[in-house]
Amino acid sequence: GAGVSQSPSNKVTEKGKDVELRCDPISGHTALYWYRQSLGQGLEFLIYFQGNSAPDKSGLPSDRFSAERTGGSVSTLTIQRTQQEDSAVYLCASSPGTGGGTQYFGPGTRLLVL
Amino acid sequence: AQSVTQPDIHITVSEGASLELRCNYSYGATPYLFWYVQSPGQGLQLLLKYFSGDTLVQGIKGFEAEFKRSQSSFNLRKPSVHWSDAAEYFCAVGGLGTDKLIFGTGTRLQVFP
Repeated sequence: GAGVSQSPSNKVTEKGKDVELRCDPISGHTALYWYRQSLGQGLEFLIYFQGNSAPDKSGLPSDRFSAERTGGSVSTLTIQRTQQEDSAVYLCASSPGTGGGTQYFGPGTRLLVL
Repeated sequence: AQSVTQPDIHITVSEGASLELRCNYSYGATPYLFWYVQSPGQGLQLLLKYFSGDTLVQGIKGFEAEFKRSQSSFNLRKPSVHWSDAAEYFCAVGGLGTDKLIFGTGTRLQVFP
């Protein structure tokens, strides 16, 4: 079966522009996560969706960052008024949502803000 | 506070040598423990996981890890490293009732021929 997919794989934008990153989770997975990985850094948790529950937004670094998940499947991470420090790899993962489940990661979107 | 510590930022080993990557965790409930590997330019791939039972777990690519509750550790080992094992390794902890994981900062493994 298909794994987690993300698009675009690479995105170059100018400072101040808005960007949208897309994540298609594994079919049937109710939990979806966004992480940020800056150069040479570990994984920074951004946001977590579980079924129809309110998302856990505790990791979003500023109000320029938002995410939505439509129909319990595809998710879009939006960064408004991008800054150079937003340059990073944005990773999406999904899991069955049954508790203690393995997270399956997509290949990531590499964002460069000029 | 819940956390994962990987004390070694960067490790270099010779091909064929043994490997141990350290991981310590702090978690308020029974932990579920994971090791993931990230090859350059790739997403994370699960190596192995511990939920319960035998404290020595086997994973893919010849890796194993041992859960030691008394030491709050879950160290990753491999008896003989291959050049293709060069990658970033992440330890993570989660618990019952949630799939949300807390990740360590990673250990970068470099393998010399």
